[in-house]
Amino acid sequence: GIQVEQSPPDLILQEGANSTLRCNFSDSVNNLQWFHQNPWGQLINLFYIPSGTKQNGRLSATTVATERYSLLYISSSQTTDSGVYFCAVSYNTDKLIFGTGTRLQVFP
Amino acid sequence: DAGVIQSPRHEVTEMGQEVTLRCKPISGHNSLFWYRQTMMRGLELLIYFNNNVPIDDSGMPEDRFSAKMPNASFSTLKIQPSEPRDSAVYFCASSLSGLAGGPSGTDTQYFGPGTRLTVL
Repeated sequence: GIQVEQSPPDLILQEGANSTLRCNFSDSVNNLQWFHQNPWGQLINLFYIPSGTKQNGRLSATTVATERYSLLYISSSQTTDSGVYFCAVSYNTDKLIFGTGTRLQVFP
Repeated sequence: DAGVIQSPRHEVTEMGQEVTLRCKPISGHNSLFWYRQTMMRGLELLIYFNNNVPIDDSGMPEDRFSAKMPNASFSTLKIQPSEPRDSAVYFCASSLSGLAGGPSGTDTQYFGPGTRLTVL
């Protein structure tokens, strides 16, 4: 099956800093989603981005499907950005395979 | 829309008891997913339904687990008998599925708040 690797596993930032999270996948995908799990456990979908670039406020994501990676950019980080960021992928199925996540801590 | 609704939010039970988790997907969504999250195994898909029909249950750990979707607005995940190793957070998610690759992003999955299950 498809393998999903995320890096870095942990990230500590001061408020206002920018960061880039990476998701590598081992095979072709036509479904890629980024999620944020906040400290209370709620999973929020950030982007559906099987290819191309999307932006939503301070967050943006780029997926280069031919090179099998996706990047999530967080600019001007805030303490509310803290939590775990997951990348999840699939190919011709609704069954998403999740990465192990990047744990982000933003300090004031 | 109220989003995906799960109940109960917390469940504490004793080993051997039956546990039933409930989920109401977002109205109009045609796919429903049950996930389990643990520290050791991360987020793993247990089973998913499309148009109320189970499509893939390969993630269901064993016969003690069963899931049903009697109609488009309700699903249950049952564990009988429960064991301490079943302790985890169980999430339900729903989507408007185009069987992956929907060009308009219709496959976006929306998660419920989860049920934290503790089996003593």
